Amino acid sequence: QLQLQESGPGLVKPSETLSLTCTVSGGSISSSGYYWGWIRQSPGKGLEWIASLSYSGSTYHNPSLKSRVTISVDTSKNQFSLKLRSVTATDTAVYYCARRDCGTCSVDSWGQGTLVTVSS
Amino acid sequence: QSALTQPPSASGSPGQSVTISCTGTSSDVGGYNYVSWYQQHPGKAPKLMIYDVTKRPSGVPDRFSGSKSGNTASLTVSGLQAEDEADYYCTSYAGSNNWVFGGGTKLTVL
Repeated sequence: QLQLQESGPGLVKPSETLSLTCTVSGGSISSSGYYWGWIRQSPGKGLEWIASLSYSGSTYHNPSLKSRVTISVDTSKNQFSLKLRSVTATDTAVYYCARRDCGTCSVDSWGQGTLVTVSS
Repeated sequence: QSALTQPPSASGSPGQSVTISCTGTSSDVGGYNYVSWYQQHPGKAPKLMIYDVTKRPSGVPDRFSGSKSGNTASLTVSGLQAEDEADYYCTSYAGSNNWVFGGGTKLTVL
């Protein structure tokens, strides 16, 4: 069974870079037909897609965050990562890593989520 | 890209039916048949309930159904049960590998 697990600091200072890693188990991140990505949820708010990368390595970003986001993959470790630069308090959120099925264009697997707080 | 519009709340009594709407534009909901719905209980990750506008993943009760008309997609929950009380989010493909979510609807079972 596919499992995704987020890891990274739970507290980041304003203006610094938020870095998270998602470790995938029970399946290969190189499998064709899937996108891997990050979605966040601010406290008491809705969901926001951040960025995705395809099994072939192409990357896609939410236009509103594109200038601050880097998404990358390490196939040797079956992991993918997120970097969000120049964070502010508005970036405080639960960050989920997720898998999107290309065929159905739906997110069929989610990590449990990790809360990242931006505060000095 | 703007978030899709959902009503902030909806409610119904056990056994009743409730419909939640999700309004976008011709650039997202109206332009593609890639609307999905997710259920989220407090403190939990979202769960896929409907994909491709009308399809249910294996294991999702047939009490959940989806539809679309123009720029508005809808999720209908029939035969409401207590465990259906949760937040529901719609999402749609918006072209150029972009995705947009709705603001979420809190469903209360009275």
